[in-house]
Amino acid sequence: GAVVSQHPSRVICKSGTSVKIECRSLDFQATTMFWYRQFPKQSLMLMATSNEGSKATYEQGVEKDKFLINHASLTLSTLTVTSAHPEDSSFYICSAFLLAGVQETQYFGPGTRLLVL
Amino acid sequence: QKEVEQDPGPLSVPEGAIVSLNCTYSNSAFQYFMWYRQYSRKGPELLMYTYSSGNKEDGRFTAQVDKSSKYISLFIRDSQPSDSATYLCALSTGGGNKLTFGTGTQLKVEL
Repeated sequence: GAVVSQHPSRVICKSGTSVKIECRSLDFQATTMFWYRQFPKQSLMLMATSNEGSKATYEQGVEKDKFLINHASLTLSTLTVTSAHPEDSSFYICSAFLLAGVQETQYFGPGTRLLVL
Repeated sequence: QKEVEQDPGPLSVPEGAIVSLNCTYSNSAFQYFMWYRQYSRKGPELLMYTYSSGNKEDGRFTAQVDKSSKYISLFIRDSQPSDSATYLCALSTGGGNKLTFGTGTQLKVEL
C-alpha cells in the first residue's frame, strides 16, 4: 500500500510555543491531504482539508488561526499548532488522498502525539 | 441519527473464531467503502476497499457492501491475537471528499 509519513512522531512542548507537524506522501502525489485529531478511545475528528496550492478548508469549530495548514507541494502538508496550550494535547493524524483509476482511498500517517505542558 | 453507525464493542472472541464487524449508514450518496485497522497509539491502516456494492476478499478478510440495505460488513476468518485492534469503517461520496467514520469497534482475540 501507499506510504504516508509524519514527523515528529512525538513532541513535548511548553505552553505558548508553536509546534509544526509534517505529513509526507512517500510514493505518490497527493493533491489533497487531511488533518485529524483523536482523543483517547474516540474516533478520528476531521480538522481540515488541505489542497495543494490553495487555502485549507477547516471544519466547523476548528480555529484556522490556531491550526495553520500549508500544502506547499504534492507530497508535503504541514500543520502548525500556534501558541499551544495543554488542551491542544492530542494525537494528530494526517491522511493523503490517492486516486488510482476508479479507486479513491486515503492513506494515513502514523500520527504525532503532542503533549503541551 | 449519525450518518454512520458502528457498534463500539468491545468484542471479545477466541483465537480461530470468525469475526463479523458491521456498519450501517443513512446517506445513499456514499460510493466508496473502506475498513481501517487501528492499533493503540498508531495511525489507521487501510485493510479493505470496496467501490459500490459487492464482495471483496483478501486473505483472511472479506468485505461486503449492500447498498440496498445501507449495510457494510468486514469478516475476519481464523482470527489471531494480532488482529486485536480497533476497526473503523469509513465511507466517502467520492471526488476526493472527506471520509465519514464509524465510531470504531474494539476487537480482542484471546488465546
